[in-house]
Amino acid sequence: DIQMTQSPSSLSASVGDRVTITCRASQGISNYLAWFQQKPGKAPKSLIYAASILHSGVPSRFSGSGSGTDFTLTISSLQPEDFATYFCQQYNTFPITFGQGTRLQIK
Amino acid sequence: EVQLLESGGGLVQPGGSLRLSCAASGFTFSSYAMSWVRQAPGKGLEWVSVISGSGGSTYYADSVKGRFTISRDNSKNTLYLQMNSLRAEDTAVYYCAKDNNDYVWGAFIDYWGQGTLVTVSS
Repeated sequence: DIQMTQSPSSLSASVGDRVTITCRASQGISNYLAWFQQKPGKAPKSLIYAASILHSGVPSRFSGSGSGTDFTLTISSLQPEDFATYFCQQYNTFPITFGQGTRLQIK
Repeated sequence: EVQLLESGGGLVQPGGSLRLSCAASGFTFSSYAMSWVRQAPGKGLEWVSVISGSGGSTYYADSVKGRFTISRDNSKNTLYLQMNSLRAEDTAVYYCAKDNNDYVWGAFIDYWGQGTLVTVSS
């Protein structure tokens, strides 16, 4: 199975900060990488697919990059509604696997 | 507007069975693969299974293979997950999700349901 490792596991930041979350795959997955946002008690929300393409309605302050094994999710200027947990997922190979999550907290 | 509404969760004893349903609306159901993803309390997301739009292709996580069966009724716009031989470690919120195309390979999730809680306990 492909292991997905996110770093950091948790992160404290302030409104207006620029933050970057990293996701590393244990083997190459081309650009078959998605990012999801989840708030407490809520279903996940799809943010990015194909490593860098934003789903419709996702604010442009979110961006994704990477290919192969190393990927990043960047939020250019944190807003109050962005404090949540973020998960990466590879969909290149079955079984589909998720990273363990990065909890983004208010500093 | 895409809507996915799960039902069928609840409390079941170890070794028991449960069938989850997901009623879909707002899109041409038969044209899209569908997935189940679960989340144990306080834990991360775990992919469970996927089925193609026609129902002809299915894949499972090793943790549920041989115990869970994914299926769909395109005439009813409904996705199912039959869960047998349930274990305590199957306790989780189960999410129904729509994939972006008809095929299971290279498909990503674009919409999620609100989830239904399954608790396996005596």
